Amino acid sequence: SQQGEEDPQALSIQEGENATMNCSYKTSINNLQWYRQNSGRGLVHLILIRSNEREKHSGRLRVTLDTSKKSSSLLITASRAADTASYFCATDALRGNEKLTFGTGTRLTIIP
Amino acid sequence: SAVISQKPSRDICQRGTSLTIQCQVDSQVTMMFWYRQQPGQSLTLIATANQGSEATYESGFVIDKFPISRPNLTFSTLTVSNMSPEDSSIYLCSVRRGDHREQFFGPGTRLTVL
Repeated sequence: SQQGEEDPQALSIQEGENATMNCSYKTSINNLQWYRQNSGRGLVHLILIRSNEREKHSGRLRVTLDTSKKSSSLLITASRAADTASYFCATDALRGNEKLTFGTGTRLTIIP
Repeated sequence: SAVISQKPSRDICQRGTSLTIQCQVDSQVTMMFWYRQQPGQSLTLIATANQGSEATYESGFVIDKFPISRPNLTFSTLTVSNMSPEDSSIYLCSVRRGDHREQFFGPGTRLTVL
């Protein structure tokens, strides 16, 4: 079963706006990773945040992690049409033998 | 990052047949992971393949249905055996890399079973 839940399941915004996606998980983790998937293709690795980090940036991406609430968020600023994709979080459990557990995903649509 | 290739990229197969998916990585890795993504769903781990030992399967997946080979540190295959339409999915291989063990994925193999 999937450990993570993401919300919203789907999000549509205008180009140029910011998009925020949330991920919740259930067990203690080593790290949490965010991925993008375009139209059922392979997953593109976006960012990894470790359990002792609270915030991380990469270009237009900002990821936060709150281990007390077992949740993470992904913010995409100044969205572009090319950001249209599904976004997944994946957790690396503290004693999980490097097995990732994926969230349910958020389908993001950027309206030009 | 990691450069991972998969073959075939897609296939349409008949019920009852088998398909072998190949995964090639650009450098040596200890573990390779095989995932399945059913239509409209998230990813589920099928098994972990270590070179020189039997693959470790997750609950709900068995070796007879999904035999895996790992002949060396850069290559693995996953076979989907005796296929049924329920096996229609994207199959992805994956490896870990880097100081913080980021996990990277291949482009996936889109399988349709008729």
